[in-house]
Amino acid sequence: SQQGEEDPQALSIQEGENATMNCSYKTSINNLQWYRQNSGRGLVHLILIRSNEREKHSGRLRVTLDTSKKSSSLLITASRAADTASYFCATDAGGNNRLAFGKGNQVVVIP
Amino acid sequence: EPEVTQTPSHQVTQMGQEVILRCVPISNHLYFYWYRQILGQKVEFLVSFYNNEISEKSEIFDDQFSVERPDGSNFTLKIRSTKLEDSAMYFCASVWTGTGITDTQYFGPGTRLTVL
Repeated sequence: SQQGEEDPQALSIQEGENATMNCSYKTSINNLQWYRQNSGRGLVHLILIRSNEREKHSGRLRVTLDTSKKSSSLLITASRAADTASYFCATDAGGNNRLAFGKGNQVVVIP
Repeated sequence: EPEVTQTPSHQVTQMGQEVILRCVPISNHLYFYWYRQILGQKVEFLVSFYNNEISEKSEIFDDQFSVERPDGSNFTLKIRSTKLEDSAMYFCASVWTGTGITDTQYFGPGTRLTVL
């Protein structure tokens, strides 16, 4: 089954604004991880939130997890041009820790 | 900070040729993975490897694919006879999980495979 499905969207914002993106999934999970990918490059890990956590912060990032709705959101506050990238959520649901990725959100921050 | 490395960064090959993609996972990690991302699509799981054997594989990982950990540091993905549709970015990843608790999965920078 599909896991880690973001609302596929392209988000274009001005520098300094906040960017919010969402992710939904279908089955129970162990954790949910968010990654950033600059065009054609590797996956950079941003944050991991476990199934028993509801909110987590890391610098300008805030992640929430609602297991009852099977959804997560990633908020980037005070965005910068360098935040321009694709953002993926990935769910870990199995015993081998393999990740199921969503389609990604393209975020463009205009200086 | 330790990181996953991959070589080469870009591999161009002719259809039908064999390719080997190489990865060096983070040294104390126990689980290793290969994923691929076809241009413009989402990242797809190929295979996981633990305790020197495949622990799980996807439908994509057919008989044309194999993985190996030939020594204590390298982890390789071999495609025996490449097809045009194998063109993609291939990512290696590793996880520690020595406690059994799920943990952060770290990805390498990827190898872009182009099959002509």
